[in-house]
Amino acid sequence: SQQGEEDPQALSIQEGENATMNCSYKTSINNLQWYRQNSGRGLVHLILIRSNEREKHSGRLRVTLDTSKKSSSLLITASRAADTASYFCATSGPSGTYKYIFGTGTRLKVLA
Amino acid sequence: EAGVTQFPSHSVIEKGQTVTLRCDPISGHDNLYWYRRVMGKEIKFLLHFVKESKQDESGMPNNRFLAERTGGTYSTLKVQPAELEDSGVYFCASSSGVLAWVNEQFFGPGTRLTVL
Repeated sequence: SQQGEEDPQALSIQEGENATMNCSYKTSINNLQWYRQNSGRGLVHLILIRSNEREKHSGRLRVTLDTSKKSSSLLITASRAADTASYFCATSGPSGTYKYIFGTGTRLKVLA
Repeated sequence: EAGVTQFPSHSVIEKGQTVTLRCDPISGHDNLYWYRRVMGKEIKFLLHFVKESKQDESGMPNNRFLAERTGGTYSTLKVQPAELEDSGVYFCASSSGVLAWVNEQFFGPGTRLTVL
């Protein structure tokens, strides 16, 4: 199976609700990043969390990292219709490797 | 500071034709990466340049794909001849990180390739 699997694959919520997406990976990492892709557009960087960090915040985004469980979560609070997109986690590592390994992504739909 | 740019944004070609995608990384970034997302699947790594040298090309699918980065600035990815399964979005990214620890990659908007 592949590195960087997101869960759930699809999520539909009402505007104002919180959305939580999870990512699991298999090998040791240097850092983990979350990206957003709006339909037909490029990847937008959201947050980078390093392997020695446990939690990071950026605006309405909160990312946690549990290296013992090899998992990360992305929480979007007070969601908006504009948050509708696909969200991907990408891992870098183990040591010495530069390429990112992406998961299949979570498709989030926020209903107005 | 300009971000990573890619050209064209969309390319539609017929099977058997040749297509060349271009990526201009952020100025000063020695590391340049190509990734692609085939419809409905995950984004997969293709290859990694450090300046003009190919550091890792383990993700290149076959010899129909040729990537170059002459002079260590912009890069091109040529697909010749294109097949139907090559359709997808091709992303380019760049980073300045000397160490993988600080390797934050900045992605371009992607080139959507459609092979008919």
